[in-house]
Amino acid sequence: SFELTQPPSVSVSPGQTAWITCSGDALPKQYAYWYQHKPGQAPLLIIYKDIERPLGIPERFSGSTSGTTVTLMITGVQAEDEADYYCHSSDSNDVWVFGGGTKLTVL
Amino acid sequence: QLQLVQSGAEVKKPGTSVKVSCQAYGFTLTDYFIHWVRQAPGQGLEWLAWINPNNGDLRFGQKFHGRITVSRDTPFNTVSLEVRSVTSDDTAVYFCARGGTIYGGSSNGLDVWGQGTTITVSS
Repeated sequence: SFELTQPPSVSVSPGQTAWITCSGDALPKQYAYWYQHKPGQAPLLIIYKDIERPLGIPERFSGSTSGTTVTLMITGVQAEDEADYYCHSSDSNDVWVFGGGTKLTVL
Repeated sequence: QLQLVQSGAEVKKPGTSVKVSCQAYGFTLTDYFIHWVRQAPGQGLEWLAWINPNNGDLRFGQKFHGRITVSRDTPFNTVSLEVRSVTSDDTAVYFCARGGTIYGGSSNGLDVWGQGTTITVSS
């Protein structure tokens, strides 16, 4: 079955850059999406189609892709960016899956 | 304003069924795929299924095939998720979310989310 693999945790100091990776065999052929999720809230779409940023999402959030890995980059990390981040993608049968999630800690 | 409004929290006994509804405001439900996602306590997001409310087409996560039903009530701009034979593993917050348009092209992501519905399974 289709799987997406993320690191469980990433820690950065305020103002630094955070990279969160997501790996999966289908990613060269399927778009990836990234969500920010804070406790008690609904997830928030922050990147779609690998690299696109929805209106209203700060420019410090960006996405990239290389082979079987997609990467979410957060430049100039702020305290408010502390959250869980999930990648999301589908297989060729349009069955979707989330990565296991990465907890971003702002030190 | 674009919104998905879900039904309220429920407590269910093991072995019973639970149904969560999701009503769309500000857009026409039948123009978009609607996805269902859940998060169990201390766990990550888990994708359950999507429905095309226009024609009823469905896709399920492999783990849920045969145990969940997703239905549509288009006159009321509503979709529903039913989980049968619930166990404590089904205790979670359930979300509906708007996906891409049904008219083709790649999805722009799950861009509108319901507020979440807490389902607790307890004897």
